[in-house]
Amino acid sequence: DVKVTQSSRYLVKRTGEKVFLECVQDMDHENMFWYRQDPGLGLRLIYFSYDVKMKEKGDIPEGYSVSREKKERFSLILESASTNQTSMYLCATDPGDYGYTFGSGTRLTVV
Amino acid sequence: DAKTTQPNSMESNEEEPVHLPCNHSTISGTDYIHWYRQLPSQGPEYVIHGLTSNVNNRMASLAIAEDRKSSTLILHRATLRDAAVYYCILRDSPLVFGKGTRLSVIA
Repeated sequence: DVKVTQSSRYLVKRTGEKVFLECVQDMDHENMFWYRQDPGLGLRLIYFSYDVKMKEKGDIPEGYSVSREKKERFSLILESASTNQTSMYLCATDPGDYGYTFGSGTRLTVV
Repeated sequence: DAKTTQPNSMESNEEEPVHLPCNHSTISGTDYIHWYRQLPSQGPEYVIHGLTSNVNNRMASLAIAEDRKSSTLILHRATLRDAAVYYCILRDSPLVFGKGTRLSVIA
């Protein structure tokens, strides 16, 4: 089974901090995604990547950046954390012809 | 964008079959129908997918209408662990999630 591992399950950061959320997959999937999920708003796409060093903006990229230096690792960066970025962050990988596999999520609280 | 429509919520008794409907009237000929579910405090989990024919796997069955404008996810015997939000999605990349159907299972 494909495993998608997110480095932290719960995270508390201060406003203005630079925050790194890490996601690692153990299969050779080209496509990786970052979503955030908020009550009443569902899952929204932040950024995605179809290859190493490639990135594409999703629906809500403002305040975020990403890094994909190796195929298996896709990092989401909050340049200067703000309270409105308190959310559940979900990483996913896509084999291309089957279902996505999601990580367990990181619940980030910005205080 | 092709979209899906699902009821906001449904309720089922434990050990009864559950039929979760999904409408996708604007589906194109090459769109695969995917279903995911999300248990509380977890990421979404792939359940099943299909194109035209009905599909079965260990988790569920997928019944697809002949005109492909609707589909139904079937859980043959609901358990308390099946309580989740179920998403019906037309396969694309990236995936776009709607609000899904919140399934409650009553003991």
